[in-house]
Amino acid sequence: AQSVTQLGSHVSVSEGALVLLRCNYSSSVPPYLFWYVQYPNQGLQLLLKYTSAATLVKGINGFEAEFKKSETSFHLTKPSAHMSDAAEYFCAVSDYGGATNKLIFGTGTLLAVQP
Amino acid sequence: DAMVIQNPRYQVTQFGKPVTLSCSQTLNHNVMYWYQQKSSQAPKLLFHYYDKDFNNEADTPDNFQSRRPNTSFCFLDIRSPGLGDAAMYLCATSGGSGGRNEKLFFGSGTQLSVL
Repeated sequence: AQSVTQLGSHVSVSEGALVLLRCNYSSSVPPYLFWYVQYPNQGLQLLLKYTSAATLVKGINGFEAEFKKSETSFHLTKPSAHMSDAAEYFCAVSDYGGATNKLIFGTGTLLAVQP
Repeated sequence: DAMVIQNPRYQVTQFGKPVTLSCSQTLNHNVMYWYQQKSSQAPKLLFHYYDKDFNNEADTPDNFQSRRPNTSFCFLDIRSPGLGDAAMYLCATSGGSGGRNEKLFFGSGTQLSVL
């Protein structure tokens, strides 16, 4: 069965500092991995996805994530945090099988950006 | 521009009183999903529709039902809400042709309180 674990339910960084949000996965098949962001009072939006092509994936708003099979990780990074990045971030893995994309989410990481 | 719309944003019901949450989409997507997100927990898939085909997750309680009268609308019915059903309910859609590679589009969610 597939699962993801997000380390750190709350992360606080200063504006301009590196953002690092951690995600580890468990999968019995080659995983499809996703990062979604949820701004206050909004739905989840796709930031980026890994689907077995390039291991370094670039997403929207300057975020990127690197798939590391040896570490079973898919950490999300951004070189320089902006105040507008404050949100909750969810890592997810796609459940295997079928024509639909059933996502299994982590518990989320709430990112705070301090001025 | 809203593509997946959930109403209402906040819903209060009484213990044991049936409640219906609604979701509509303007994307003409084949697949619609319902997720339950309890406080500080990962969103959990309850069920999904591929067109008119209903797919229930194995551990979704019988208390939860769903209807999809047409492509645009999907409803979540909770027959006898308990205190443990208080949560954010997220509706999402996907096209239905890309399988595990597909992007999901989420609504803003309905926060359900049970008194």
